[in-house]
Amino acid sequence: DGGITQSPKYLFRKEGQNVTLSCEQNLNHDAMYWYRQDPGQGLRLIYYSQIVNDFQKGDIAEGYSVSREKKESFPLTVTSAQKNPTAFYLCASSIGGVSTEAFFGQGTRLTVV
Amino acid sequence: QQQVKQSPQSLIVQKGGISIINCAYENTAFDYFPWYQQFPGKGPALLIAIRPDVSEKKEGRFTISFNKSAKQFSLHIMDSQPGDSATYFCAAMEYGNKLVFGAGTILRVKS
Repeated sequence: DGGITQSPKYLFRKEGQNVTLSCEQNLNHDAMYWYRQDPGQGLRLIYYSQIVNDFQKGDIAEGYSVSREKKESFPLTVTSAQKNPTAFYLCASSIGGVSTEAFFGQGTRLTVV
Repeated sequence: QQQVKQSPQSLIVQKGGISIINCAYENTAFDYFPWYQQFPGKGPALLIAIRPDVSEKKEGRFTISFNKSAKQFSLHIMDSQPGDSATYFCAAMEYGNKLVFGAGTILRVKS
């Protein structure tokens, strides 16, 4: 089945630790995105990548880092610099180059304990 | 500053009624306007989308109305059902660029 896989579904992090969220897609899409979702604030863009080995900051990139070494993978690291990391994180992908549908994974819920 | 403004924040509709959600944007470079539906604990899924050269698009009970001059677009859900209860997001994409979302509308359809 083609789609986007995010793992893990739930993640707990101690304060001061870095943690990496996985996002893999087998849709052969060039563009990939990371969003953060908090209650009442919709989806806010953290980082996006239009092509392998290139990515751009979104609206709330501070405290996060990404890499795009492979077309199918776009991992997100939540660093200790992120002051309030508890949230629902969503990864998406689209064909890229044209404006068209983005497909979403099922999300990772990160909780700081 | 949100690039796409969505209203209302929440909406309660009786079963069989019409649900209407509105969005407005400023960036005239946007060329793709999708609506996403999200159920609790799940990722959003595309419901319906429109491009600015079309004023209306209908798919089943869901219709997008698009007003290019006013830079507004809206989602109408006809004959709303309890199963439509979810969070709805409007969004906009600039050619080959990032996809930005409205703040979302929580819809509850009362049976």
